[in-house]
Amino acid sequence: AQSVTQLDSQVPVFEEAPVELRCNYSSSVSVYLFWYVQYPNQGLQLLLKYLSGSTLVKGINGFEAEFNKSQTSFHLRKPSVHISDTAEYFCAVTQGGGGNKLTFGTGTQLKVEL
Amino acid sequence: DTEVTQTPKHLVMGMTNKKSLKCEQHMGHRAMYWYKQKAKKPPELMFVYSYEKLSINESVPSRFSPECPNSSLLNLHLHALQPEDSALYLCASSQDPGAIGYTFGSGTRLTVV
Repeated sequence: AQSVTQLDSQVPVFEEAPVELRCNYSSSVSVYLFWYVQYPNQGLQLLLKYLSGSTLVKGINGFEAEFNKSQTSFHLRKPSVHISDTAEYFCAVTQGGGGNKLTFGTGTQLKVEL
Repeated sequence: DTEVTQTPKHLVMGMTNKKSLKCEQHMGHRAMYWYKQKAKKPPELMFVYSYEKLSINESVPSRFSPECPNSSLLNLHLHALQPEDSALYLCASSQDPGAIGYTFGSGTRLTVV
């Protein structure tokens, strides 16, 4: 079975400061990892994904994440946040294959303050 | 067209009503999904359709009835819902059942009164 843990339920940060949102996964087989963002009263938007290859993945809106197999982590980073980055961020994992079930972490609320 | 379109965006229904949620995509995707998201919680998988056939039902109560009339359209029929069924219902699609990565719609906010 696969699972995802997001230890931080809320992360407050000042505008223009760097931020890291943590994600750890658990799986007995190879996995594919994703970060989604959800703005208030909206659906999910894909920020970035790791399928294979380079462990540093760059996404939209200046976000990037690094896949670390030994630490089973896929932390999301941004060097300088903006007020508009305030949103809920979900890490997700799938093993692929038939059915392709996507399992989400509990989410991290990023609150950017002036 | 690279979107998944869900209608309506908001729905209020009584516990004795029958209503339907609609999801449409024109990307040629052959797998479609329904997720339920309660407030402050992550999305939870309800159903998966692969090539217009139901392939996964995550033990969802029968008051939720999915339907996939064709490869572009996915419906969720609702009947005799409870207030605790109030949530954001998200539809998603992927190129095929084994494809990695979904495209999500913006959701239908359902309130049961």
